Amino acid sequence: GAGVSQSPSNKVTEKGKDVELRCDPISGHTALYWYRQSLGQGLEFLIYFQGNSAPDKSGLPSDRFSAERTGGSVSTLTIQRTQQEDSAVYLCASRSTGGNYEQYFGPGTRLTVT
Amino acid sequence: KQEVTQIPAALSVPEGENLVLNCSFTDSAIYNLQWFRQDPGKGLTSLLLIQSSQREQTSGRLNASLDKSSGRSTLYIAASQPGDSATYLCAGNNNAGNMLTFGGGTRLMVKP
Repeated sequence: GAGVSQSPSNKVTEKGKDVELRCDPISGHTALYWYRQSLGQGLEFLIYFQGNSAPDKSGLPSDRFSAERTGGSVSTLTIQRTQQEDSAVYLCASRSTGGNYEQYFGPGTRLTVT
Repeated sequence: KQEVTQIPAALSVPEGENLVLNCSFTDSAIYNLQWFRQDPGKGLTSLLLIQSSQREQTSGRLNASLDKSSGRSTLYIAASQPGDSATYLCAGNNNAGNMLTFGGGTRLMVKP
């Protein structure tokens, strides 16, 4: 079946602009995660959605970052007033309820802030 | 807070060699330990997942072990091939479904 998809695959934006990154999880997966992979910091957790529960936002680096998950499926990560240090690969993962809780990752969005 | 470390950061081996990648974690109350492969410019491919009640998992030429008491996991790759060249990441979480904490990865190169 289809895996996790993310769009766009690459995004170049000017400092100060807002960007939106999209994640389509595997159909039926109730949990969705956003991570960021940057050269200096490795792979870091950003935010976690589980069903209708309030999201775990503990990994968001600043209030310029926010995310929504509409209808329990598609998620959008928004970065306002982008800074050069926001340049990174943003990865989305999803998993089903129960089972072994394995997370499945999308191909990522490479964000470059100039 | 869980911290995950991978040593070495880079490894180069000749084709056919058996090799071991190491992963250590600070909190023994680990729930899942996952090993991933990442090719340049690509996302993460899950290789093996070991639950806290398990000691090891095998898939083809790959075998992953988990020793919670020592805070270590290893990924064993048998008869390495040039196609195994990639970055290998380990990650763990402390509760079912929680976010993963990643190690820095080991960049593996298998030379023909």
